Amino acid sequence: DVKVTQSSRYLVKRTGEKVFLECVQDMDHENMFWYRQDPGLGLRLIYFSYDVKMKEKGDIPEGYSVSREKKERFSLILESASTNQTSMYLCASSLGALPHGYTFGSGTRLTVV
Amino acid sequence: DAKTTQPNSMESNEEEPVHLPCNHSTISGTDYIHWYRQLPSQGPEYVIHGLTSNVNNRMASLAIAEDRKSSTLILHRATLRDAAVYYCILCRNTDKLIFGTGTRLQVFP
Repeated sequence: DVKVTQSSRYLVKRTGEKVFLECVQDMDHENMFWYRQDPGLGLRLIYFSYDVKMKEKGDIPEGYSVSREKKERFSLILESASTNQTSMYLCASSLGALPHGYTFGSGTRLTVV
Repeated sequence: DAKTTQPNSMESNEEEPVHLPCNHSTISGTDYIHWYRQLPSQGPEYVIHGLTSNVNNRMASLAIAEDRKSSTLILHRATLRDAAVYYCILCRNTDKLIFGTGTRLQVFP
């Protein structure tokens, strides 16, 4: 089975800190995605990547950046964490561009205090 | 992106069939209908997808209206483990997944 592993299940950070959320997939998928999930808003796409060193903005990229130095790893970076970035963060990967082939990680619940 | 409309919540009893509706009146000819579900404390998982014809797999069935303006996800015998949020999503094969707020399904013993 494809596995998408997010490094932390729960994370607490202080306002202004630089935060790294790590995601690793083990099935050689080209595409990787970062979403955040908030009550009443569903999942919203932050950034995605279709190849190594390539990145594209999603619907809500402000306050975030990403890094994809290796095919299997996609990192989400909060340059200066703020309380409105408290959320559940979900990473996904997919083979090719097919929407039915997404595999998600279990999520990282980030609290910024 | 074409929009979908789903009820916020539904309830079912265990071992009964569940029909989860989705309206998508602005669907285009190249839009596929995808269903994902999200179990508590997990990321979403793929359930089923289709274009025009009804589809069956080990998890569920997808019934698509003849005019494609609505569809129904059918769980033939709900179990407690089917309690989740179910998302109906339209997209073309080259699109990214864009999630709405879905339907929260509660299953009672």
